[in-house]
Amino acid sequence: DTAVSQTPKYLVTQMGNDKSIKCEQNLGHDTMYWYKQDSKKFLKIMFSYNNKELIINETVPNRFSPKSPDKAHLNLHINSLELGDSAVYFCASSRRGWRETYEQYFGPGTRLTVT
Amino acid sequence: DAKTTQPTSMDCAEGRAANLPCNHSTISGNEYVYWYRQIHSQGPQYIIHGLKNNETNEMASLIITEDRKSSTLILPHATLRDTAVYYCIVRGIGGSQGNLIFGKGTKLSVKP
Repeated sequence: DTAVSQTPKYLVTQMGNDKSIKCEQNLGHDTMYWYKQDSKKFLKIMFSYNNKELIINETVPNRFSPKSPDKAHLNLHINSLELGDSAVYFCASSRRGWRETYEQYFGPGTRLTVT
Repeated sequence: DAKTTQPTSMDCAEGRAANLPCNHSTISGNEYVYWYRQIHSQGPQYIIHGLKNNETNEMASLIITEDRKSSTLILPHATLRDTAVYYCIVRGIGGSQGNLIFGKGTKLSVKP
């Protein structure tokens, strides 16, 4: 059983397009996250979110927006894609929130390529 | 920015213990030390975490110095599948302090 899943695994698109990456977790966790790993392999938090609070990394452009239809899903919408958005995006989840010490479980990643 | 310093790379012979050091000299009293690893092309995987005391689970042991300024992750019997980038992370609690801030990590190569 996959704990944290993401679709699609690969996404190739052109500059200026709008795209979404879906994330689902079947762990019953309350908090979900999005991370970006760039070409230099640096992994950075973009958002952390539960049903009460969204924390946005201040460096994330407002073209990126998380949307959560329910507790098990946190989708990432990206508007007006740019070349610099090319990266691997990881979704993660954890019990409770950042106020606790629970570990995060990561999905397999979505490799986004913008041409 | 990451609050930890790790060697860029390490080698370990298969079957031997892998000891991965981490310096976190500016750690504060309520911050935990977490270890994650990332096997090539996969999502990061949680290994272990601790506050003051040494910790052990089925994957590894975590040794934290008494002054908490450094720690060592020990993989007791490394296998080829343990080849990965290992991240030592200092994490607080509350708001953005609870976020995981990944540094460059240590690339561990387990060799036959």
